[in-house]
Amino acid sequence: DQQVKQNSPSLSVQEGRISILNCDYTNSMFDYFLWYKKYPAEGPTFLISISSIKDKNEDGRFTVFLNKSAKHLSLHIVPSQPGDSAVYFCAVLGDMRFGAGTRLTVKP
Amino acid sequence: DGGITQSPKYLFRKEGQNVTLSCEQNLNHDAMYWYRQDPGQGLRLIYYSQIVNDFQKGDIAEGYSVSREKKESFPLTVTSAQKNPTAFYLCASSIVGTSGETQYFGPGTRLLVL
Repeated sequence: DQQVKQNSPSLSVQEGRISILNCDYTNSMFDYFLWYKKYPAEGPTFLISISSIKDKNEDGRFTVFLNKSAKHLSLHIVPSQPGDSAVYFCAVLGDMRFGAGTRLTVKP
Repeated sequence: DGGITQSPKYLFRKEGQNVTLSCEQNLNHDAMYWYRQDPGQGLRLIYYSQIVNDFQKGDIAEGYSVSREKKESFPLTVTSAQKNPTAFYLCASSIVGTSGETQYFGPGTRLLVL
């Protein structure tokens, strides 16, 4: 029973362009979402979060959008850089559930 | 400087053997967690603890055991009952374990079965 889904296992973008990573959830009671970034053989690191009382949160090149009616959130990275290449997980904290992850590759 | 450490980085287990993965944090966090990562399945919660001497099962606790005798330490034992132990194991901690908290992760331990 996957309550947090990342349907795209991988995404490839050109350096300087926008990367959009998507996440869907099933439980409308979820109220706090986070994105983590993970390099191979390392633990995930926190990237950005959003509370359900907001629909957008921005931190530098990273913006997370939340559409509560669609139960959908997305992470935008603009401009994308080669160092952004990693696996990105969306998560619901409190419920301790993570999506399967999307591997982002940013090509120089 | 503060953080979470996991050891060893790689661990090999023979069939029928129990192995213990170490997780230590000096962040003064009350809550600690163990996750398992398998390809294409994200992170799945094995056990978590919100206070010393207390812990709760996560989604995939079968074949695993934990203890929380000290605030700083949350070791995970992979028992012989765990039939598919090969995975990347991640330990995390957070301040008190409530909804909305950021979790801080250790570097992980990769367990391989010989």
